[in-house]
Amino acid sequence: GQNIDQPTEMTATEGAIVQINCTYQTSGFNGLFWYQQHAGEAPTFLSYNVLDGLEEKGRFSSFLSRSKGYSYLLLKELQMKDSASYLCAVRGETSYDKVIFGPGTSLSVIP
Amino acid sequence: NAGVTQTPKFQVLKTGQSMTLQCAQDMNHEYMSWYRQDPGMGLRLIHYSVGAGITDQGEVPNGYNVSRSTTEDFPLRLLSAAPSQTSVYFCATHQGRLSGNTIYFGEGSWLTVV
Repeated sequence: GQNIDQPTEMTATEGAIVQINCTYQTSGFNGLFWYQQHAGEAPTFLSYNVLDGLEEKGRFSSFLSRSKGYSYLLLKELQMKDSASYLCAVRGETSYDKVIFGPGTSLSVIP
Repeated sequence: NAGVTQTPKFQVLKTGQSMTLQCAQDMNHEYMSWYRQDPGMGLRLIHYSVGAGITDQGEVPNGYNVSRSTTEDFPLRLLSAAPSQTSVYFCATHQGRLSGNTIYFGEGSWLTVV
């Protein structure tokens, strides 16, 4: 089976840095995704990690530790438009490439 | 380039009615999936397909059927709608881990069962 856990809600201040954690227990591992989802919209792709370490893309960075079953998404220089849900998803080690999502973290950015 | 197209966008059903949510993609992706999303929750996998003629169950398959007769289309059928199936449904496609690392989503279908 697979279990993915994220904090339910987080609040951060505009201009600050926030870290959203994701822990997972899966039957095999073949990559971890982070998606952003604004209310009433479809998720949009942020990052993908398959090897340990940090991937940086502008204001967003994602880190993976496969041995710990742990990832985080780091958002720098927060803007009001970053208020959204952030979804962690794991692709398991199966030939069917099934992707399972965590419950999501609702981030509120306040002035 | 349309990407992933879902129809209808909004639908109201009565309990016991059946309906089909349509999903079509023009990216020639092998992998297609259906997810449902309930308020305050993440995406839960209903069914998925790794190619024409091949489907399998996800986390919450009960009450839903799928088929994959072509690469482009992956319809989701509600056999006898129940209020518990009120949700937002997303179709998604990707190329698989050997070819690409991005999952593409349709715009969603808002379904209410009364």
